[in-house]
Amino acid sequence: EDQVTQSPEALRLQEGESSSLNCSYTVSGLRGLFWYRQDPGKGPEFLFTLYSAGEEKEKERLKATLTKKESFLHITAPKPEDSATYLCAVQARTNAGKSTFGDGTTLTVKP
Amino acid sequence: DAGITQSPRYKITETGRQVTLMCHQTWSHSYMFWYRQDLGHGLRLIYYSAAADITDKGEVPDGYVVSRSKTENFPLTLESATRSQTSVYFCASSEPFRDTTYEQYFGPGTRLTVT
Repeated sequence: EDQVTQSPEALRLQEGESSSLNCSYTVSGLRGLFWYRQDPGKGPEFLFTLYSAGEEKEKERLKATLTKKESFLHITAPKPEDSATYLCAVQARTNAGKSTFGDGTTLTVKP
Repeated sequence: DAGITQSPRYKITETGRQVTLMCHQTWSHSYMFWYRQDLGHGLRLIYYSAAADITDKGEVPDGYVVSRSKTENFPLTLESATRSQTSVYFCASSEPFRDTTYEQYFGPGTRLTVT
């Protein structure tokens, strides 16, 4: 059974204070790992897909990295508008189309 | 409107009543999904569909029914609502591309309260 564990559950940062969110996963043959952002009262919004260990993707202040067991979402010099819940999900090669989601990390960035 | 829409956005119903949540997408994506999200939990898959007239159970299907007669619509029905089905429901869609991974695109959600 595919599993995704995200840590920490909640993270509070000061504006400009860089940090990382963790996503540990077990999956029988990884097809891809996804990161989503979810604002309060809204649906998740796709950020990145990572396919293989060693791969990195960047978007503004966010950088996602992938190893064989975990992924990190690095946030550099965050701003208050980066406050959101970040969800990680994995898709196995045998589960075409379906993803297994973690419970998310709620990030709060204080000005 | 382009994208994926859900209706109603908010619904209050009584225990035992039948409720249908609607989902419509304009991209002609082949895959569609229904999730529920409860406080402190991530997204749990209820049902999904790989194409019109093809549906399959997810992690938490009990008490729910789906149908997909048209590619763009994927309604979710609670046959006899229970308080444990109070939740936020998200519909999503995705489209395979060259047999690679499929990111999902989500609707705005329906907040359902069962009294």
